[in-house]
Amino acid sequence: DGGITQSPKYLFRKEGQNVTLSCEQNLNHDAMYWYRQDPGQGLRLIYYSQIVNDFQKGDIAEGYSVSREKKESFPLTVTSAQKNPTAFYLCASSIAGSGGSHTGELFFGEGSRLTVL
Amino acid sequence: GNSVTQMEGPVTLSEEAFLTINCTYTATGYPSLFWYVQYPGEGLQLLLKATKADDKGSNKGFEATYRKETTSFHLEKGSVQVSDSAVYFCALNSDMRFGAGTRLTVKP
Repeated sequence: DGGITQSPKYLFRKEGQNVTLSCEQNLNHDAMYWYRQDPGQGLRLIYYSQIVNDFQKGDIAEGYSVSREKKESFPLTVTSAQKNPTAFYLCASSIAGSGGSHTGELFFGEGSRLTVL
Repeated sequence: GNSVTQMEGPVTLSEEAFLTINCTYTATGYPSLFWYVQYPGEGLQLLLKATKADDKGSNKGFEATYRKETTSFHLEKGSVQVSDSAVYFCALNSDMRFGAGTRLTVKP
């Protein structure tokens, strides 16, 4: 079945460690996104990518890094510079539109819950 | 710029009550409008959408009508169930941002 797969579902990190969250999609979508969700809060955009080998910062990119070497994959690294990384991370994809906008619905993964010990 | 303003929650209803969650938008052009739902511990999934003025999106008993004159896309359901307890997000297709969402709790 087509969809978005995020892994791991749960991850624990010690302070000062970098961790990488995986996001893979087989929907043939050009655009991919990373969001952060804190308890009881909405989604905040971290990074997005409209095409392979290109990505842009969202609203809260500090302390995070991404790569887009393949269309199917958009991993997110939470670096030690991120002061408060404990959160629920959601990856999404969509068919990219022209002019940098997306034209339709977003398809989301199941999320990865990161806890810093 | 484009934006959505969503009714803040939480909303608590009894089973079989009528639900309305308000959503208004500001946009140039004619964006598509969406409602997403997030069940506990999961990602978001599309609930319904409307692509042009006066369109009505519907799914699982939920409905929303794209009202250009009032720039609104309010979510409604005539009789909620316990299983509808979730967080609901309104969104524009031209913006990758989401609002805070509205948490709905339905009690038996």
